[in-house]
Amino acid sequence: GQQVMQIPQYQHVQEGEDFTTYCNSSTTLSNIQWYKQRPGGHPVFLIQLVKSGEVKKQKRLTFQFGEAKKNSSLHITATQTTDVGTYFCAGPSQGGSEKLVFGKGTKLTVNP
Amino acid sequence: DTAVSQTPKYLVTQMGNDKSIKCEQNLGHDTMYWYKQDSKKFLKIMFSYNNKELIINETVPNRFSPKSPDKAHLNLHINSLELGDSAVYFCASSHRGGNSPLHFGNGTRLTVT
Repeated sequence: GQQVMQIPQYQHVQEGEDFTTYCNSSTTLSNIQWYKQRPGGHPVFLIQLVKSGEVKKQKRLTFQFGEAKKNSSLHITATQTTDVGTYFCAGPSQGGSEKLVFGKGTKLTVNP
Repeated sequence: DTAVSQTPKYLVTQMGNDKSIKCEQNLGHDTMYWYKQDSKKFLKIMFSYNNKELIINETVPNRFSPKSPDKAHLNLHINSLELGDSAVYFCASSHRGGNSPLHFGNGTRLTVT
């Protein structure tokens, strides 16, 4: 079945350093979504990418969708302690299903 | 407040018991979901309902039975709880379709002893 793979599983950075998480799908995606889950919290939708090669920015966060629409990345510039959490990518399952398949997430910790 | 709300937030119970988790959304969404998040934080879909109709039913033991009385509510009943059922259960809602972002509830942490 369709898989969405995310690396790294864990990332520990010093405050002010940059951070990137990568997402790869075994199949072409119609769109990819990114979510953030703070410790003890629930996943919160960040952004959706739809077009091949699309790049979107939210303040210090930059999201990219690959040309082949099979991979995506989230880059955070100059991390802050408020960036701590687990970042998930998710893409719709194949075959017209309503299902969203989540990657296993990248847990980011930031040392102040 | 517009939101997805689920209750209870915490649920501690013994093996063999039956328990229910309730979920309500006032976002006007057509589709509601139950996700299970295990200790490794992996989010796995269990069920999805669209306008009270079951549209996704993953490989979940039949001890788990969802019920949707209307499109704003999706409850989850679990019979004969087992240790392995311990997890955080998230309710979510969205407009219909795999292209629509999910809005998650705050989660129910279920601990089976």
